[in-house]
Amino acid sequence: AQRVTQPEKLLSVFKGAPVELKCNYSYSGSPELFWYVQYSRQRLQLLLRHISRESIKGFTADLNKGETSFHLKKPFAQEEDSAMYYCALSGRGAQKLVFGQGTRLTINP
Amino acid sequence: DVKVTQSSRYLVKRTGEKVFLECVQDMDHENMFWYRQDPGLGLRLIYFSYDVKMKEKGDIPEGYSVSREKKERFSLILESASTNQTSMYLCASRGPGTSGVSSYNEQFFGPGTRLTVL
Repeated sequence: AQRVTQPEKLLSVFKGAPVELKCNYSYSGSPELFWYVQYSRQRLQLLLRHISRESIKGFTADLNKGETSFHLKKPFAQEEDSAMYYCALSGRGAQKLVFGQGTRLTINP
Repeated sequence: DVKVTQSSRYLVKRTGEKVFLECVQDMDHENMFWYRQDPGLGLRLIYFSYDVKMKEKGDIPEGYSVSREKKERFSLILESASTNQTSMYLCASRGPGTSGVSSYNEQFFGPGTRLTVL
């Protein structure tokens, strides 16, 4: 069964501190992993996907197949990073996404 | 730029009413989805459609139905609304990512409809 777990409902860090949002998954094949973000009063949008191996807004995420994890990291948090973050998974070529429970990130000044 | 629109931002209905939530996308996407978003539960898939008149149940289809008569429009129907269906409803369509590679499984979301059932 496909499953995505985000163990932290809430995460609060100070501006300038490193941020790590955890995501673990279970999937029997080769998954595609994504991070979606929802800023206050905005629609949910794609932040990054593991296949692109890119840094978006200073965030990176590495797929660790051994630990079945896809943690989202940023070395220096900014206040505008405060948002709701969802980790999501799909099978290759699949139409559906399975989302985690979400983590609300708050960056304190 | 992909545009996914939903007919209402806020909706208040009474228990037992029939409720229609409409979603329209302008990118000629084949796949469309309805989710509900609840705190602590994340996004849960209700139904999705991979073509006109085609639909598949998601993880929580009970109490809901859908209609896809035209490619650009995907409707979610609550046949008899109940208080436990009070939630934020998100529509999404799926198509090529920003690089244009069709294999990218990127979903584009609407702004959401906050439904309250009294």
